[in-house]
Amino acid sequence: QSVLTQPPSVSAAPGQKVIISCSGSSSNIGNNYVSWYQQLPGTAPKLLIYDNYKRPSEIPDRFSASKSGTSATLGITGLQAGDEADYYCGTWDNSLSAVVFGGGTELTVL
Amino acid sequence: QVQLVESGGGVVQPGRSLRLSCAASGFTFSSFGFHWVRQFPGKGLEWVADIWSDANKKYYADSVKGRFTISRDNSKNTLYLQMNSLRAEDTAVYYCARDDLNIGNALDIWGQGTMVTVSS
Repeated sequence: QSVLTQPPSVSAAPGQKVIISCSGSSSNIGNNYVSWYQQLPGTAPKLLIYDNYKRPSEIPDRFSASKSGTSATLGITGLQAGDEADYYCGTWDNSLSAVVFGGGTELTVL
Repeated sequence: QVQLVESGGGVVQPGRSLRLSCAASGFTFSSFGFHWVRQFPGKGLEWVADIWSDANKKYYADSVKGRFTISRDNSKNTLYLQMNSLRAEDTAVYYCARDDLNIGNALDIWGQGTMVTVSS
């Protein structure tokens, strides 16, 4: 059971928008920065979002994120087949003194 | 280019030891903290351990505390994970990842991973 809660799967048609949620608590999301990672099949995770909503320069603006209280969300617009991947949220947990990840959300582009 | 390359994975019997290495290149190794993250077959990510840039602080997941030791050699630009008393449930792909303080301690660079299989 992961400390951060994500839906196991989401799906949408090409060109559409999808939102992935990540729920935590005051010991993690509520008081720390959230990051999001994309893991394409058979590859290592890749940083998608840092500091709750910022994108590394190479990440297209189709990817966005936000945080409110103890929850965070990742949004992907203009879905493409190449976006099919597992997406993970992550942050530090002050009570556990550990990095915690969500269980991951599998995105299917229909 | 900026990269991390893990090595040292393999098949090991329960109760034995293994040491993973993570060689860094393309950046100033000593300026960053590092993490080990593992992924069980077909499952999500599990954080294992991290070490600060000066090695003064180290943190471990409860599942590996007392069995695994994270260390670094800044002169060799290399991160290590010494894994003792291995169990079947430690079977996973192990990734090393760079921690950038400047971006909220996000893990911005990941290695390709090395597979560890614990089996008799």
